[in-house]
Amino acid sequence: QQQVKQSPQSLIVQKGGISIINCAYENTAFDYFPWYQQFPGKGPALLIAIRPDVSEKKEGRFTISFNKSAKQFSLHIMDSQPGDSATYFCAASIKGGSEKLVFGKGTKLTVNP
Amino acid sequence: DTEVTQTPKHLVMGMTNKKSLKCEQHMGHRAMYWYKQKAKKPPELMFVYSYEKLSINESVPSRFSPECPNSSLLNLHLHALQPEDSALYLCASSQIGTGIETQYFGPGTRLLVL
Repeated sequence: QQQVKQSPQSLIVQKGGISIINCAYENTAFDYFPWYQQFPGKGPALLIAIRPDVSEKKEGRFTISFNKSAKQFSLHIMDSQPGDSATYFCAASIKGGSEKLVFGKGTKLTVNP
Repeated sequence: DTEVTQTPKHLVMGMTNKKSLKCEQHMGHRAMYWYKQKAKKPPELMFVYSYEKLSINESVPSRFSPECPNSSLLNLHLHALQPEDSALYLCASSQIGTGIETQYFGPGTRLLVL
């Protein structure tokens, strides 16, 4: 019930391509869904976040698509660049219970030049 | 400014040593967190402080002792650690009760226990 399932575990994309990472959840009490980007040896950095009342949010080359009925959300990276090579974590939390972020297991993205 | 700072960046300690990790934020956040992250795994929550009070302890062994001296500082005291405690230790902070729950992470302390 508290899990967030993330796929794929790893992803290789060519420069300029689209990277797509998917997450699914069961707990309908989740109402905040952030994505974090983490480079080796660094802390996770907030990339973009969405709430269930919005179906899509775009920030630059990064877009979150949210399907409330399917309890799924995904991250799309357009025009992927080698500098985007990192591990991406989706996460979810409950409003009012914001102390606990439930993380997906992560996706290691490699963008080849 | 969304910066959380952590010191030291790297730490090597023996199993009999006592050391401390430090975390600081000046964003006015009233929730602060310690996470442990092993290689190729997501961060794993250890402790949460809300308004300088310990609100969550995720059944962490007593060899890890958190402390929140004030609203900007968070410490993690380490004693008699085991080699399996080697990991990246992350601090994070967030607001409380504003509807903006974003957690901001520091760069982490890479800990090696010999």
